[in-house]
Amino acid sequence: SYVLTQPPSVSVAPGKTARITCGGNNIGSKSVHWYQQKPGQAPVLVIYYDSDRPSGIPERFSGSNSGNTATLTISRVEAGDEADYYCQVWDSSSDHPFWVFGGGTKLTVL
Amino acid sequence: QLQLQESGPGLVKPSETLSLTCTVSGGSISSSSYYWGWIRQPPGKGLEWIGSIYYSGSTYYNPSLKSRVTISVDTSKNQFSLKLSSVTAADTAVYYCARHQGSGGGIYYYYGMDVWGQGTTVTVSS
Repeated sequence: SYVLTQPPSVSVAPGKTARITCGGNNIGSKSVHWYQQKPGQAPVLVIYYDSDRPSGIPERFSGSNSGNTATLTISRVEAGDEADYYCQVWDSSSDHPFWVFGGGTKLTVL
Repeated sequence: QLQLQESGPGLVKPSETLSLTCTVSGGSISSSSYYWGWIRQPPGKGLEWIGSIYYSGSTYYNPSLKSRVTISVDTSKNQFSLKLSSVTAADTAVYYCARHQGSGGGIYYYYGMDVWGQGTTVTVSS
């Protein structure tokens, strides 16, 4: 089955740029979605279709996807951005397609 | 504003069947534009998709859980449900329901899951 690999943790100082990667075989050919999950809360969709932002998500959140790596970029990081982030794709490589999530990355704001 | 709310027993015994319901409010589960899914998260771990259903009853399941999972829809109650059989401690998790786009022809994979329930904790223990 398709595997998405994320770094367990990323740390960044306030006001700087955080980049969270999601690795997968030829992931550039898939549509990648990103979710933010704060402690005790449900996930929130922050990026869909590689780089589109749902209504209400700040422009500081952006995404890219090429080759074997998709990246979520958070500019001008704020304390409130501290959360777990998950990438997601639809794996249609078999007769039984399904949603796959990455293992998640904990973003720490220093 | 669309809202999803999970409900069901918080404690299930090993080998029994876990049953949860997600109630949709502020919109119709019979919309032709959406699938309705279940996702779980074991304590301290990541997200795992369980399966999704269309209002017509068409389903997709995670292959790793397919043999134990049944997802059904009740359009008259604006609800969809999850049944997971032969549970073990490994099925202890927060269970979420969520919405994602699709049609009778299948899931629209270029859209993510845009509305989520708050989640409900299910513990498997004797």
